[in-house]
Amino acid sequence: NAGVTQTPKFQVLKTGQSMTLQCAQDMNHEYMSWYRQDPGMGLRLIHYSVGAGITDQGEVPNGYNVSRSTTEDFPLRLLSAAPSQTSVYFCASSLDRGRSNYGYTFGSGTRLTVV
Amino acid sequence: GDSVTQMEGPVTLSEEAFLTINCTYTATGYPSLFWYVQYPGEGLQLLLKATKADDKGSNKGFEATYRKETTSFHLEKGSVQVSDSAVYFCALNTGNQFYFGTGTSLTVIP
Repeated sequence: NAGVTQTPKFQVLKTGQSMTLQCAQDMNHEYMSWYRQDPGMGLRLIHYSVGAGITDQGEVPNGYNVSRSTTEDFPLRLLSAAPSQTSVYFCASSLDRGRSNYGYTFGSGTRLTVV
Repeated sequence: GDSVTQMEGPVTLSEEAFLTINCTYTATGYPSLFWYVQYPGEGLQLLLKATKADDKGSNKGFEATYRKETTSFHLEKGSVQVSDSAVYFCALNTGNQFYFGTGTSLTVIP
């Protein structure tokens, strides 16, 4: 029972490079989301998806793209990396966002450094 | 709008001391409230939750009571251990969105 799996765990990019952060869950969760965690700022929502084929923007979507072709996978794409995107990225999923008593299951994170 | 405010850290305690981390919230409707814990180098893990007013969530010696009259969900533990050193996040789920506090870092020294 893997839960939420994120890859890679660590990544260093040069400014302007692109890359994809992978997120997969095996719990048949409908809702998936991406957060970034920065010191003193807590967790900020980047993008989310309420089901396959449906995505929407969160609080800080600029510079990131997502897609949800399957229930299991929710990759996050950095189009042209910038130093401001240096952060720790977490993927989280939930059975149903519409049910307030459900919590999130988090992946272990990807630590990204843009130089 | 909906939000969560938790006490600033860092917090440093001696082993076996009493812990309180304050959390207050602003929300319309009837949110559920959560505490998550993040150990160094790991993702967030659900610690406890409460889904309605006056509910008490508890886990691993930690407790928090959903107080609607004071819009609070303070985290408490009677006797902390070194292994409790982590960052603690208060959060609320309105059924439409999840909101997290900024986190409180706890260090327990022997």
